[in-house]
Amino acid sequence: AQSVTQLGSHVSVSEGALVLLRCNYSSSVPPYLFWYVQYPNQGLQLLLKYTTGATLVKGINGFEAEFKKSETSFHLTKPSAHMSDAAEYFCAVSGEGNKLVFGAGTILRVKS
Amino acid sequence: DTEVTQTPKHLVMGMTNKKSLKCEQHMGHRAMYWYKQKAKKPPELMFVYSYEKLSINESVPSRFSPECPNSSLLNLHLHALQPEDSALYLCASSQDIWRGGELFFGEGSRLTVL
Repeated sequence: AQSVTQLGSHVSVSEGALVLLRCNYSSSVPPYLFWYVQYPNQGLQLLLKYTTGATLVKGINGFEAEFKKSETSFHLTKPSAHMSDAAEYFCAVSGEGNKLVFGAGTILRVKS
Repeated sequence: DTEVTQTPKHLVMGMTNKKSLKCEQHMGHRAMYWYKQKAKKPPELMFVYSYEKLSINESVPSRFSPECPNSSLLNLHLHALQPEDSALYLCASSQDIWRGGELFFGEGSRLTVL
């Protein structure tokens, strides 16, 4: 079985500051991990994913995440926050049938 | 074309109504999904179709009835819903159901049951 825990339901950063959103996973098989972003009243957009290979994954809009097996983590970072980054972010793990199991989500607020 | 299109965007229905949600993709994907997202919660899987056949049903009540008429279309038929079924219903598609494939999501249909 797979599960995801996102630490912090709300994160607030200043514009230009580092963004760090935390995700820990549990998986009985080698994990395939995803970060999705959801803007208000919209669907989900893929930011990045890890399947195999390089553990540092670069995504869209300047985001990246590092897969750390020893820590069962897949934290999302961005060096400099922009106002347009304000949204809800979901970490997810892929299970059988390509079923995505999502974490509870983290709402990112960017202060000017 | 990398879009998943859902209609209607908003739907209000009574508990005795019958309505349908529609989803369409033209990316040649062979897997399609329905997710339900309650307010302030993550999406939860309802159904998975693979090559137009139902692959996964996450013990969804029978008042929700999915249908996949062809590889591009996915419907969700709604009947005798309850107010607690009010939610955002998200459709998604992927190349196939192999683990790790990217899911492309539509913008959702927001359902309100009175």
